[in-house]
Amino acid sequence: GAVVSQHPSRVICKSGTSVKIECRSLDFQATTMFWYRQFPKKSLMLMATSNEGSKATYEQGVEKDKFLINHASLTLSTLTVTSAHPEDSSFYICSARVKGRLNTEAFFGQGTRLTVV
Amino acid sequence: SQQGEEDPQALSIQEGENATMNCSYKTSINNLQWYRQNSGRGLVHLILIRSNEREKHSGRLRVTLDTSKKSSSLLITASRAADTASYFCATDALATSGTYKYIFGTGTRLKVLA
Repeated sequence: GAVVSQHPSRVICKSGTSVKIECRSLDFQATTMFWYRQFPKKSLMLMATSNEGSKATYEQGVEKDKFLINHASLTLSTLTVTSAHPEDSSFYICSARVKGRLNTEAFFGQGTRLTVV
Repeated sequence: SQQGEEDPQALSIQEGENATMNCSYKTSINNLQWYRQNSGRGLVHLILIRSNEREKHSGRLRVTLDTSKKSSSLLITASRAADTASYFCATDALATSGTYKYIFGTGTRLKVLA
């Protein structure tokens, strides 16, 4: 089956540093990847839609300069949290849609728990 | 708000009972999916139902979709303690950008008591 690998699964960083999270589709090509953020005991909020070879589309209220998204290939998208602060601590999840297939499921990574101290 | 809504927000039942969760959404959709999430873990895909389908089954799961009411329900029959988790619906909706994106509901926290 289609597998999306997200790395790292957990990361602790100091305030002011930047953290990069990778999202890879292991056995399929993904034209579109999505990045979500989840606060404790809350639902997943879509942050941005990442399309291969073009700029990401950010949801309203999401800071583009703080959450840098790069989708350099059909199997890799990265989310960089720049100048992280404790309020950025959260669970970040990516998902990927199979290239050329719209009416199908999105495959999700296992998530990255970011803690900023 | 970008999110759909689910009810109930929390549900506590005895093992063996059925659990029903509802999801309402706002826009036209391509498909709708249900996911499960154990505390602090990633998402597990349960079932996908397309906009032209009305009902789907998978093991102890039954999902219905009513596009006229913009709502879906997830029924878990003969629940087990291991079903304790949060359940989310996600709708695949057309955004103003012209692409489809998944929007999650607020989730239902299910607790099955042994």
